[in-house]
Amino acid sequence: KNEVEQSPQNLTAQEGEFITINCSYSVGISALHWLQQHPGGGIVSLFMLSSGKKKHGRLIATINIQEKHSSLHITASHPRDSAVYICAVRKDDKIIFGKGTRLHILP
Amino acid sequence: KAGVTQTPRYLIKTRGQQVTLSCSPISGHRSVSWYQQTPGQGLQFLFEYFSETQRNKGNFPGRFSGRQFSNSRSEMNVSTLELGDSALYLCASKGGGRYEQYFGPGTRLTVT
Repeated sequence: KNEVEQSPQNLTAQEGEFITINCSYSVGISALHWLQQHPGGGIVSLFMLSSGKKKHGRLIATINIQEKHSSLHITASHPRDSAVYICAVRKDDKIIFGKGTRLHILP
Repeated sequence: KAGVTQTPRYLIKTRGQQVTLSCSPISGHRSVSWYQQTPGQGLQFLFEYFSETQRNKGNFPGRFSGRQFSNSRSEMNVSTLELGDSALYLCASKGGGRYEQYFGPGTRLTVT
């Protein structure tokens, strides 16, 4: 079993829909990252969380340390949000990545 | 500030050869980490350097090595290339005491 599990693996939605991507982990962590990777490979760090909730524009990330679970929400989704979203956890100064969620927003 | 840069962006090598990839971190960042991304395995941590010292290493064979120079620029080397080494190699830098990493555009290595 992977130490970091993401769901769903793939998600297709209509423009404007509310999107939720989930991440569960089985190890003790010091921080959790949400990353966005566009076609072509470029990776952008969206959030780094160690507790609670963070919001940046239409993106919201939450983490529940007790349940070892984090969610990334996108409100009013747009085709430009189409990308792979990757959850990564920091454990003992190493980073463990989830397999990613491929999001496709249809116009 | 300029972002993280990686060279070359694309590379084609044949089995058995060796390759060196380069990463220049954001100015002032002393930590550089390297990652391998393949369709099958996703992103995997290779190693991290801080102030010219390897601080952490992932589960990769000894064919994968790296180093960091006094100006924080880092190189990674893969010797005796195998077909399975074909991947996108990403580096990321971070500033002192912070967890947030800034990724470079990656080097896409194809081994034939």
